[in-house]
Amino acid sequence: GAVVSQHPSRVICKSGTSVKIECRSLDFQATTMFWYRQFPKKSLMLMATSNEGSKATYEQGVEKDKFLINHASLTLSTLTVTSAHPEDSSFYICSARASGRVYEQYFGPGTRLTVT
Amino acid sequence: AQSVTQLGSHVSVSEGALVLLRCNYSSSVPPYLFWYVQYPNQGLQLLLKYTSAATLVKGINGFEAEFKKSETSFHLTKPSAHMSDAAEYFCAVSSGYSTLTFGKGTMLLVSP
Repeated sequence: GAVVSQHPSRVICKSGTSVKIECRSLDFQATTMFWYRQFPKKSLMLMATSNEGSKATYEQGVEKDKFLINHASLTLSTLTVTSAHPEDSSFYICSARASGRVYEQYFGPGTRLTVT
Repeated sequence: AQSVTQLGSHVSVSEGALVLLRCNYSSSVPPYLFWYVQYPNQGLQLLLKYTSAATLVKGINGFEAEFKKSETSFHLTKPSAHMSDAAEYFCAVSSGYSTLTFGKGTMLLVSP
């Protein structure tokens, strides 16, 4: 149980285009989902927290208009990187917290974004 | 406020040797503590967690960790390293509804 999927696992896009990453909780309802960014050989940096049906809460320094987060249902959150630039290239990981399980997050397998 | 310090960005052991990865935390409230493992180009897998029950926590793959409040530590150990244990390990702290705060990670290298 408690499986989180991400799609796509890898994406290459041209500079200036937008790319959407999906995060799904497959066998549980996730009232809260988190988006992280991980630079090479670095730790995870929390970008934003999204609660189903409400606006995401972004961490300081994360551009809301660049990284659009939608959490439209209890099993799906999306991260859209708008007008992507090479510096947005990174490994993006989502996690989901199940309803009533306040202290545990389940992580997706990550999405490798490369902007050329 | 909460924070995690992982001592040593790299730890090298021989196969069969003891694994010890260090983690110290700071939290203004009783913490929940976690160890995650990450293999290259993959997400994080939970190894074990401390949530205010037993202070010695056993996890998957033979790993365990002991919560020591007096030392604000939550070190990860495994009696005998296996080649497949080579990966990046992250310690993390949370205080209930708060978000997870990760340490910088420790790369475990296992030599034959």
